[in-house]
Amino acid sequence: KQEVTQIPAALSVPEGENLVLNCSFTDSAIYNLQWFRQDPGKGLTSLLLIQSSQREQTSGRLNASLDKSSGRSTLYIAASQPGDSATYLCAVTGFQKLVFGTGTRLLVSP
Amino acid sequence: EAGVAQSPRYKIIEKRQSVAFWCNPISGHATLYWYQQILGQGPKLLIQFQNNGVVDDSQLPKDRFSAERLKGVDSTLKIQPAKLEDSAVYLCASSSRQVPTPTFGSGTRLTVV
Repeated sequence: KQEVTQIPAALSVPEGENLVLNCSFTDSAIYNLQWFRQDPGKGLTSLLLIQSSQREQTSGRLNASLDKSSGRSTLYIAASQPGDSATYLCAVTGFQKLVFGTGTRLLVSP
Repeated sequence: EAGVAQSPRYKIIEKRQSVAFWCNPISGHATLYWYQQILGQGPKLLIQFQNNGVVDDSQLPKDRFSAERLKGVDSTLKIQPAKLEDSAVYLCASSSRQVPTPTFGSGTRLTVV
């Protein structure tokens, strides 16, 4: 059974800092890994998707890496802004299954 | 392209009452998912449909939860009777072979008092 864990559970940083969110999974037989953003009371917004054959994906200030063999992914946020404050979830896709991690609550203070 | 529509946005009920949630997926998306997200946790898959057939309902509490997807389009999720621990956000998502990344609706926030 796939289990996905995210560390830290919560993170508070001042504006402008670079930060790293971590995601680990127990079963390396995945099709892809996604990072989502969730604002309070809202649904999920897909940020980045990394196919199992890829090592990383970049979108603007976001960079996600994937090391399938070690069961790890990181989401790097450069020059953080207050608007980045949200919960970040990673999710791994197996055969027709999407399993979510526990999430990291990020607060970026001005 | 319209997104995944869910209703209602919020619902407050007393324990032992019944409640139903509705989801309209993106047009043409054959796969539909219902997730339960308890506060402070990641979403947990309750049931997954492929067209109108169930692919996975292993984590659906079948003694009180039921879901259907008639005609392979809209879906309803029902809880009867509700318990306090059912308080959560219920997320619906859909995907297709051409767009395999699920698109999520805004969710229904259920509070059971």
